[in-house]
Amino acid sequence: GEDVEQSLFLSVREGDSSVINCTYTDSSSTYLYWYKQEPGAGLQLLTYIFSNMDMKQDQRLTVLLNKKDKHLSLRIADTQTGDSAIYFCAESLIQGAQKLVFGQGTRLTINP
Amino acid sequence: DAMVIQNPRYQVTQFGKPVTLSCSQTLNHNVMYWYQQKSSQAPKLLFHYYDKDFNNEADTPDNFQSRRPNTSFCFLDIRSPGLGDAAMYLCATSRDGSGGALNTDTQYFGPGTRLTVL
Repeated sequence: GEDVEQSLFLSVREGDSSVINCTYTDSSSTYLYWYKQEPGAGLQLLTYIFSNMDMKQDQRLTVLLNKKDKHLSLRIADTQTGDSAIYFCAESLIQGAQKLVFGQGTRLTINP
Repeated sequence: DAMVIQNPRYQVTQFGKPVTLSCSQTLNHNVMYWYQQKSSQAPKLLFHYYDKDFNNEADTPDNFQSRRPNTSFCFLDIRSPGLGDAAMYLCATSRDGSGGALNTDTQYFGPGTRLTVL
């Protein structure tokens, strides 16, 4: 079945890089997404990667995809206090319309 | 700015009293989704509309219904809320949903409505 897994917590020092990892199960996923959720807010789309790509870079964000291992990571360079949030990995499945399957989310905490 | 709007942001209802949550979009997207997110959990898809076609997830309780009177609006109706229905309800839209390299399927989320059941 469909399953997306993430570690629940990550703590980094301000200015360091954060790496959030995710594994997924469905090899037919066309896109994989990273969403950010701040307390009490909705989901903000951060970035996405198409399944035939290995890497995508967007300013401080780098997404790496290892399709063989079904492993996705999000690297945030020079982590700032404003990056504190929960980060959700999601795989997309096309069943009629697109269906997103989310991981449980990784809570990123920044230490001064 | 084009966006997904949810009203109200906070809703309090009583056990068993019907409640309706509202979502509107100015993106002119074909697909609208409703998710339920309980505390410290991942969002869970309840159902979606592809244009006027309603698609229910197999495990969505009958207590949850939806209406989409036009492209811009979609409503979530909870007929008899229970304490276990307290959650954040997220609306999302996508331009299309048929897959493909153009990625017209990316979902854009509203800010959510937090439902409290007393």
